[in-house]
Amino acid sequence: DSGVTQTPKHLITATGQRVTLRCSPRSGDLSVYWYQQSLDQGLQFLIQYYNGEERAKGNILERFSAQQFPDLHSELNLSSLELGDSALYFCASSASAGGQPYNEQFFGPGTRLTVL
Amino acid sequence: AQTVTQSQPEMSVQEAETVTLSCTYDTSESDYYLFWYKQPPSRQMILVIRQEAYKQQNATENRFSVNFQKAAKSFSLKISDSQLGDAAMYFCAYRSARDDKLIFGTGTRLQVFP
Repeated sequence: DSGVTQTPKHLITATGQRVTLRCSPRSGDLSVYWYQQSLDQGLQFLIQYYNGEERAKGNILERFSAQQFPDLHSELNLSSLELGDSALYFCASSASAGGQPYNEQFFGPGTRLTVL
Repeated sequence: AQTVTQSQPEMSVQEAETVTLSCTYDTSESDYYLFWYKQPPSRQMILVIRQEAYKQQNATENRFSVNFQKAAKSFSLKISDSQLGDAAMYFCAYRSARDDKLIFGTGTRLQVFP
């Protein structure tokens, strides 16, 4: 158990819908990351938040957005869903940010999103 | 842009034997970190081992060790005394020292036979 929790574990929805994925980081961690794992794109970095502020952006679609709240939990919002958005979405957390040497990322169990 | 390549989609090993998984990467940076993550059937991503680019000594964690060749941009993982529980997908990952995002390879599926 990494200490990172994600809800829900599974989500099945239809095209065009909007969903919210939730992540609670390890106690004391200030950075939260979102990654997408799909069959065709592999594991891709989407976005990072550090202490409530957006820190880095990767290959995140405009239909996707995220935020980190004052209690440091994070939500990833996916809208106008398409079949190709079906994937495993991981949240990870780490203590700090800025390329620190021992800023290990600990991954949550993931949310499996299926778009029908 | 940095890239990570794992050229072995699948590997297999007999229990108690040794297996080496390959990884190469491309970067123009001199300061970075490299990782191997394990993803068992449960889908949980588990950090196996890490290597700092500025360290010449290869990292070791129990039965897991790496062969880091900076000039060749190669970072292979050796698993000794393989166990059934080692069966998983293994991902090589790169992280710049300037930021925190992990760049993953496509993974190698390791099968362990009794």
